Amino acid sequence: NAGVTQTPKFQVLKTGQSMTLQCAQDMNHEYMSWYRQDPGMGLRLIHYSVGAGITDQGEVPNGYNVSRSTTEDFPLRLLSAAPSQTSVYFCASRLATRTDTQYFGPGTRLTVL
Amino acid sequence: AQSVTQPDIHITVSEGASLELRCNYSYGATPYLFWYVQSPGQGLQLLLKYFSGDTLVQGIKGFEAEFKRSQSSFNLRKPSVHWSDAAEYFCAEGGGADGLTFGKGTHLIIQP
Repeated sequence: NAGVTQTPKFQVLKTGQSMTLQCAQDMNHEYMSWYRQDPGMGLRLIHYSVGAGITDQGEVPNGYNVSRSTTEDFPLRLLSAAPSQTSVYFCASRLATRTDTQYFGPGTRLTVL
Repeated sequence: AQSVTQPDIHITVSEGASLELRCNYSYGATPYLFWYVQSPGQGLQLLLKYFSGDTLVQGIKGFEAEFKRSQSSFNLRKPSVHWSDAAEYFCAEGGGADGLTFGKGTHLIIQP
């Protein structure tokens, strides 16, 4: 198993540009989520999904869109990038319930100029 | 809303010495508690988790944590640290229906 994979590893955008961060898992996990990590802030939940076709907002959803058309993939879209979205983004997945281990991808470092 | 507090931003420990990283949570019901470790430039790896049963939990890499409901704490311990333990450590709570609520992390520095 590859686990949770994320692409790209690094990205530089200009303010106003759009892009999609890709996330995929091959463990047949129902639950997937996106976090952003900022210095001194820990990780904060952006969006999550409890299964294909079902998504919901986390703590910091503004400026981000998600969709879940398959169990394997959970892309994160930045519609119009802003410097405040400069961060490291982590995708995570778990089998289903809250007691299941949540596995994290390697992260995408995004810089918005 | 639930919250997780890690009071120590940085901790410096000598190699071979014991370690305790503090974590306090606020959650009204039974908490689901986790400790993750993040090495520089890497993703997060689960060290251990607690959601019921024995309040002393054993994890990987020689780590353990003790759940104390009366103190709302879930402190991480290791009897003897190695230089490779230098990393960022995150406590998290996952009792809600959405995802994990993380503390802000403790940066562990190992002195030779």
